Amino acid sequence: DAKTTQPNSMESNEEEPVHLPCNHSTISGTDYIHWYRQLPSQGPEYVIHGLTSNVNNRMASLAIAEDRKSSTLILHRATLRDAAVYYCILLSNFGNEKLTFGTGTRLTIIP
Amino acid sequence: DAGVTQSPTHLIKTRGQQVTLRCSPKSGHDTVSWYQQALGQGPQFIFQYYEEEERQRGNFPDRFSGHQFPNYSSELNVNALLLGDSALYLCASSLASLVGAKNIQYFGAGTRLSVL
Repeated sequence: DAKTTQPNSMESNEEEPVHLPCNHSTISGTDYIHWYRQLPSQGPEYVIHGLTSNVNNRMASLAIAEDRKSSTLILHRATLRDAAVYYCILLSNFGNEKLTFGTGTRLTIIP
Repeated sequence: DAGVTQSPTHLIKTRGQQVTLRCSPKSGHDTVSWYQQALGQGPQFIFQYYEEEERQRGNFPDRFSGHQFPNYSSELNVNALLLGDSALYLCASSLASLVGAKNIQYFGAGTRLSVL
């Protein structure tokens, strides 16, 4: 499985944008970039995924570098409820559905 | 619409005992995956069940076994418990017809197992 590298922790002020980076230099052409997050005392939840183009949904935006070796999850206006561990995961498009989690980025929101 | 439910929420066992954890998938889902999450680590894949059979398995010993029932619910069994088995056990469900990158997994809140 291709690996991802994320900072261990980040802090952000409430109501400001947050940019969470992920490096995946060994990504293959068929790998999608998925983001999950794990709120305290909960299981992980899906946030967003993309292949090449930038993606937006109600939770976040995903910006993917042109060479696909890195990506950034963007929370446009962080709230205290966004405090969580964020995982960047590569997922093949050929049926390998297990998720390979790293240690993720622990995001702290400062009121 | 109920999401993924797991029981029990907490469990305390002693070394050498056996434990069974239960999972009910999200309505309409037919695939169940189990993960183990040690403190401070990301979840690690144990195995996945589809059509009542183990379809994939991670790097876990045979002490870890599972079962899927005709209603798609699942059990995780761990025999001869070790102290190192203390962890949060997560169940995730998904729909097999959504392959590859479209296969979003929905997680339960987990069962916290403590082995003394």
